[in-house]
Amino acid sequence: KQEVTQIPAALSVPEGENLVLNCSFTDSAIYNLQWFRQDPGKGLTSLLLIQSSQREQTSGRLNASLDKSSGRSTLYIAASQPGDSATYLCAVKARSRYGNKLVFGAGTILRVKS
Amino acid sequence: GAGVSQSPRYKVAKRGQDVALRCDPISGHVSLFWYQQALGQGPEFLTYFQNEAQLDKSGLPSDRFFAERPEGSVSTLKIQRTQQEDSAVYLCASSSAWTSGDTGELFFGEGSRLTVL
Repeated sequence: KQEVTQIPAALSVPEGENLVLNCSFTDSAIYNLQWFRQDPGKGLTSLLLIQSSQREQTSGRLNASLDKSSGRSTLYIAASQPGDSATYLCAVKARSRYGNKLVFGAGTILRVKS
Repeated sequence: GAGVSQSPRYKVAKRGQDVALRCDPISGHVSLFWYQQALGQGPEFLTYFQNEAQLDKSGLPSDRFFAERPEGSVSTLKIQRTQQEDSAVYLCASSSAWTSGDTGELFFGEGSRLTVL
């Protein structure tokens, strides 16, 4: 059974700092990995999607890497801003008997202090 | 529509009541998922539809939970005889190309927050 773990569970940093969020998964047989952002009381906003054949994806100040063989991904946020404060969720598209599903980690709660 | 739409956004139910949560996926999206997110946790898979066919319901926690998508578009998640542990946010997501292995991105709605008193 695929399990996804995110470290740290919570992170508080001053504005302007670069930071790294970590995600690990137990089964390397994945199709892709997706990073989401969730604001309080809101749904999930997709940030980056990395296909299994890719090593990284970049969007603005965000960079996500994927090492499928070791079961790890990192989300790098450069020059953090208070508006980046949210919960960040990692999810892998895992193979399942009936048609594949996204398996999520518990998230990292990020607070960027001004 | 422009995005996945869920209603109601908030629902308060007394223990033992039945509730129905609605999901309008993005137009043309054939794949539809329901997830349950407890406070402080990541979303947990409940069930998956491909058009009107419910291909996977392995995540439904009990037989009090029932989902349908009769015409392959709008979906309803029904919870019978609600209990306090059913309190959570119920998220719906849809995709146009989910079955194609590497491709297929899930787009999520804002969720329906259920509180059972």
